[in-house]
Amino acid sequence: EAQVTQNPRYLITVTGKKLTVTCSQNMNHEYMSWYRQDPGLGLRQIYYSMNVEVTDKGDVPEGYKVSRKEKRNFPLILESPSPNQTSLYFCASSSGQGAQGNQPQHFGDGTRLSIL
Amino acid sequence: SQKIEQNSEALNIQEGKTATLTCNYTNYSPAYLQWYRQDPGRGPVFLLLIRENEKEKRKERLKVTFDTTLKQSLFHITASQPADSATYLCAFNDYKLSFGAGTTVTVRA
Repeated sequence: EAQVTQNPRYLITVTGKKLTVTCSQNMNHEYMSWYRQDPGLGLRQIYYSMNVEVTDKGDVPEGYKVSRKEKRNFPLILESPSPNQTSLYFCASSSGQGAQGNQPQHFGDGTRLSIL
Repeated sequence: SQKIEQNSEALNIQEGKTATLTCNYTNYSPAYLQWYRQDPGRGPVFLLLIRENEKEKRKERLKVTFDTTLKQSLFHITASQPADSATYLCAFNDYKLSFGAGTTVTVRA
């Protein structure tokens, strides 16, 4: 089954404790991205990757890091989490020219992070 | 910067009626516009994509229009059912995909 898998689904942690949210897709997609979703603000892109070893900032990259060492994986790293990063996070992937908007995005089921 | 607005946060309709959602964009002329459905606690699911040279696109009970003059897309759910209750998101591209905040549709039986 084609899917985007995120882990963990839920996490409560404390300020400053480094954490990683993993994302993996099994569709051989080139394009992957991370979004955060907050009430009233919609989905905002954090980082995206056009292919292996190619990443770029989205709208709200501050406080986040990503890497793309393999095509299928795109982890999101919070080096020193803060309470304003409490949010619902989604990973998405799409084929080829996803960044150009002509391909559907496939989303994971989300990771709810609470930073205390 | 580009901006995308869905001009209704919530829409409540009676089963069997048509729901019409609006998506407006400014400061950009996208070549494509997409619509997604999101259920509580789940990721968005792709529904339809419409190109700038397509005026209308249909999929079962769903219909999307794209008016590049008005800078607007309309999303219609005809013969609505309670199972259509969800949040619907529009999105368009520039160098990345930008999403609206969504409209939550509730269909009453």
